[in-house]
Amino acid sequence: DAKTTQPTSMDCAEGRAANLPCNHSTISGNEYVYWYRQIHSQGPQYIIHGLKNNETNEMASLIITEDRKSSTLILPHATLRDTAVYYCIANDYKLSFGAGTTVTVRA
Amino acid sequence: EAGVAQSPRYKIIEKRQSVAFWCNPISGHATLYWYQQILGQGPKLLIQFQNNGVVDDSQLPKDRFSAERLKGVDSTLKIQPAKLEDSAVYLCASSQMSSRGPYGGTEAFFGQGTRLTVV
Repeated sequence: DAKTTQPTSMDCAEGRAANLPCNHSTISGNEYVYWYRQIHSQGPQYIIHGLKNNETNEMASLIITEDRKSSTLILPHATLRDTAVYYCIANDYKLSFGAGTTVTVRA
Repeated sequence: EAGVAQSPRYKIIEKRQSVAFWCNPISGHATLYWYQQILGQGPKLLIQFQNNGVVDDSQLPKDRFSAERLKGVDSTLKIQPAKLEDSAVYLCASSQMSSRGPYGGTEAFFGQGTRLTVV
């Protein structure tokens, strides 16, 4: 399993971009990077995934460094509803979650 | 499209009793996961199935927990006997099978979970 490291928590101002870092220095060549989030009292929700290239969807953008050892999830215009725990995963074999980053969006 | 269904939503039992949780994944999803989430922690993978087979159960306390997936569709997770420390939310998820591996490049969908309280 590729181990991931994320900050424990971070704050973000409503309307501003939120940049969530993740370190996955032991990722293997074929493993994707996945991001999920969990809003209070709900099950985790898929956000985005990528391999080498940057990816964007309606929820977020994913920037993966050229050496693939780290990535950044970008929420372009954070809203109060984006307050959640965000999980970064780098594993194609099993879906294992770490402690994640608790993101608090403040008005 | 119907989501992942779990039942019951809440359960309160006394320690040493047994309990079972049921999960119905999204139709056509080959991979099914069971997680235990203790308050304040990330979900802990208990067992991962691909069709009828077990992909990983390394964190399943096999002396008291068991899980089965009937005909590659529905699944049940059982605890017998329950301990106080089993109080948690039990989450079920499913995903499509990928040619990359049991979980590769696919999106997993989660149910609402079952909140278990052991008193």
